[in-house]
Amino acid sequence: NAGVTQTPKFRILKIGQSMTLQCAQDMNHNYMYWYRQDPGMGLKLIYYSVGAGITDKGEVPNGYNVSRSTTEDFPLRLELAAPSQTSVYFCASSYVNTEAFFGQGTRLTVV
Amino acid sequence: AQTVTQSQPEMSVQEAETVTLSCTYDTSESDYYLFWYKQPPSRQMILVIRQEAYKQQNATENRFSVNFQKAAKSFSLKISDSQLGDAAMYFCAYRSARRLNTNAGKSTFGDGTTLTVKP
Repeated sequence: NAGVTQTPKFRILKIGQSMTLQCAQDMNHNYMYWYRQDPGMGLKLIYYSVGAGITDKGEVPNGYNVSRSTTEDFPLRLELAAPSQTSVYFCASSYVNTEAFFGQGTRLTVV
Repeated sequence: AQTVTQSQPEMSVQEAETVTLSCTYDTSESDYYLFWYKQPPSRQMILVIRQEAYKQQNATENRFSVNFQKAAKSFSLKISDSQLGDAAMYFCAYRSARRLNTNAGKSTFGDGTTLTVKP
């Protein structure tokens, strides 16, 4: 099992550009999450999903969009990138009653 | 909304000593899960220990144990016989056990405690 795979690992965007962060898991988890982590800070929930076709906003959803068309994939879309979106992004997945399994993270810089 | 508070941004401990990291949370739910994760400089998130709210017994994993006080909404982590490899940022996390409706599956993290282990 690969676990949770995030791509890319690093990316530099210019202000106003858009991009999609990819996340895939092969553990058949029904729950999936996107978090952002600013330097020295905790994880802030952006969006989450409890199953294919179901998504919900977390604490900091503005400027982001998600979709969940399959159990395995949960891409995060950034529209009109802003410097405030410079952060490390983590995707995670879990069953209802288990711990979350995290990807390696994507370091995004918006310049 | 559920919130998780870690009131100690930084802690330090002497190698082989014991340290306790604090975590409090706020929720109106009766059924939920609590977790402690470790994040070393590699950035990888590693589960340390988990607790189900319906269990009264405190979880233990080798040198790691928790003090779960449901009425006080407190979930502290005790690390015994601290080792140099324990140095990391530690996060407390809450997840709703709801399977339907609002907040089903929602998971919230605290801001973390940076633990330094002195040789």
